[in-house]
Amino acid sequence: QEQLVESGGGEVQPGRSLRLSCAASGFTFSSYGMNWVRQAPGKRLEWVAVISYDGSNKYYADSVKGRFTISRDNSKNMIYLEMNSLRPEDTAVYYCAKLKELKQMASWFDRWGQGTLVTVSS
Amino acid sequence: DIVMTQSPDSLAVSLGERATINCKSSQSVLNSSNKRNYLAWYQQKPGQPPKLLIYWASTRESGVPDRFSGSGSGTDFTVTISSLQAEDVAVYYCQQYYSIPPTFGQGTKVEIK
Repeated sequence: QEQLVESGGGEVQPGRSLRLSCAASGFTFSSYGMNWVRQAPGKRLEWVAVISYDGSNKYYADSVKGRFTISRDNSKNMIYLEMNSLRPEDTAVYYCAKLKELKQMASWFDRWGQGTLVTVSS
Repeated sequence: DIVMTQSPDSLAVSLGERATINCKSSQSVLNSSNKRNYLAWYQQKPGQPPKLLIYWASTRESGVPDRFSGSGSGTDFTVTISSLQAEDVAVYYCQQYYSIPPTFGQGTKVEIK
């Protein structure tokens, strides 16, 4: 069955960097756009970034633009989120989420990982 | 960005009774060419990731009980739980995928009265 497993979260000081990973299995990974969505404690879901099925297109939320970079390796069925210049307001559970529609950049999220917690604190 | 606003923020419903959650978008999410509303609903239980319930505003995801139904068009949408069960206690979110960035409502917490 389709599965997404995030890793790489942890506690980090403001201004430092962290790299999140998401391992995908159970579907044709190279055919689907992939996203990172985060949720701060007690807050609503916030979309962070999307990468197209082939990695050629990427979009970011204004709140992370210029600091975060999404990438993928279709040979390994992995996506990544490189997070630089981290701020306390980046503290959240980060979810990897798959788009439903084949080769689309905008669609609903039909599969989510369990999430990985990132805490930015001095 | 399209702003999604849900109401109420929370509601308590007796077991077996109907629960209705509303979602309003700041601009239409109806695509006039294909007549589809780019609106999804998710259920999130404590400590779990969101689970897809409904897409295209009214299409139930495979495996979702038929007590869940979605309706609405344009800017106003509703998800209804026709007969609340104990396992339906959760926070429910609407999400538009009409444009990037995709945006979510603030969530509605459903509890048992």
